[in-house]
Amino acid sequence: LAKTTQPISMDSYEGQEVNITCSHNNIATNDYITWYQQFPSQGPRFIIQGYKTKVTNEVASLFIPADRKSSTLSLPRVSLSDTAVYYCLVGETEAAGNKLTFGGGTRVLVKP
Amino acid sequence: GAGVSQSPRYKVTKRGQDVALRCDPISGHVSLYWYRQALGQGPEFLTYFNYEAQQDKSGLPNDRFSAERPEGSISTLTIQRTEQRDSAMYRCASSWRLNTEAFFGQGTRLTVV
Repeated sequence: LAKTTQPISMDSYEGQEVNITCSHNNIATNDYITWYQQFPSQGPRFIIQGYKTKVTNEVASLFIPADRKSSTLSLPRVSLSDTAVYYCLVGETEAAGNKLTFGGGTRVLVKP
Repeated sequence: GAGVSQSPRYKVTKRGQDVALRCDPISGHVSLYWYRQALGQGPEFLTYFNYEAQQDKSGLPNDRFSAERPEGSISTLTIQRTEQRDSAMYRCASSWRLNTEAFFGQGTRLTVV
């Protein structure tokens, strides 16, 4: 099981770009990297998923270097409503199943 | 349904009673997951199913916890002889298949008194 390490918390201001880096040194060849967002009193919500290089959608970008031992979630021009906990997950191979194992996440606080 | 539905939303039970928590996944979703989440913590994996088969139950804390998904759709998480330490938010999620976007329900807040 590829374990992930990410900062416990980050503060930012409205309009800034927030970058959260996750380390996953033991990532396996067939593993994907997935990020979820969780607001208070709600269940986690999928943000983005990638395997290598860069992935971008309407919410965020995900940068994955060639060695795939880390990944960076980038949130452009954050607003107060982006205050949440962000989780980095590394999926197990299909043969081993997929537990969607969550770590402690990164608490992002966006200030006015 | 439009999303993952969990019932009840809130459950207060006396210590020693059994409880059954229900999860109705998005129609057609193959994978179904159960998690437990304490306040301020990330979701803790309990178990997951592909269709009706329970693929992994390594996260179930002890033998008082069990889960089933007999027809590959609705799932029930049962806790027998509840204890105060079982109090938590229990979350269910479903996805089309392995390693695809998982959708979470609103959760069931269990309080054991």
